[in-house]
Amino acid sequence: QSALTQPASVSGSPGQSITISCTGTSSDVGGYNYVSWYQQHPGKAPKLMIYDVSDRPSGVSNRFSGSKSGNTASLTISGLQAEDEADYYCSSYRSSSTLYVFGTGTKVTVL
Amino acid sequence: QVQVVESGGGVVQPGGSLRLSCAGSGFTFSNFAMYWVRQAPGKGLEWVAIISYDGSNKYYADSVTGRFTITRDNSKNTLFLQMNSLRVEDTGVYYCARDRASGSYSLQYWGQGTLVTVSS
Repeated sequence: QSALTQPASVSGSPGQSITISCTGTSSDVGGYNYVSWYQQHPGKAPKLMIYDVSDRPSGVSNRFSGSKSGNTASLTISGLQAEDEADYYCSSYRSSSTLYVFGTGTKVTVL
Repeated sequence: QVQVVESGGGVVQPGGSLRLSCAGSGFTFSNFAMYWVRQAPGKGLEWVAIISYDGSNKYYADSVTGRFTITRDNSKNTLFLQMNSLRVEDTGVYYCARDRASGSYSLQYWGQGTLVTVSS
């Protein structure tokens, strides 16, 4: 039951754009549009930032956007701000007995 | 507003049992699938279990299959996780979460988490 693969860390300067990748297989990311992205600040519960690959819940800044190509999904943060420094996790539906999987997580640092 | 609140965490010896609860409010509990997600200290998120809106379908991570049981009582708006044969590696914060929309596989509402420590 392997997790989706994310880079361990990504960094950028304020105002820049960064992209976090999330690689799975045709049984999860590539096969369904049930990819979500979560932001987690230290000691806090995760927050849903993107669902269904590219949709934003109400109240989430439009600086956050999602996309997918083949078995890889991506989260882009534009106009990077200090408050964006956090851990980010992708997730996906998986067509197996386990049904659901998270990514390995990416620490975003604002330089 | 939508709220989910976990309780029941604590310290338990390896091989022991613990039952977590999650109370939902501000929404029609019986309309939504519910999830348990955990996070070991300093580690990433790990999905643990899912239960359908009516409790008829349950799914588990391989790491907990046969040891953990997810149930719900829709008359009391409460979700449960019965954890048996606990191992040191089960230590972590356990979150209860609600589906964004029925069948969406995206978790929009999370509790604050309850800490489970398995140690001798």
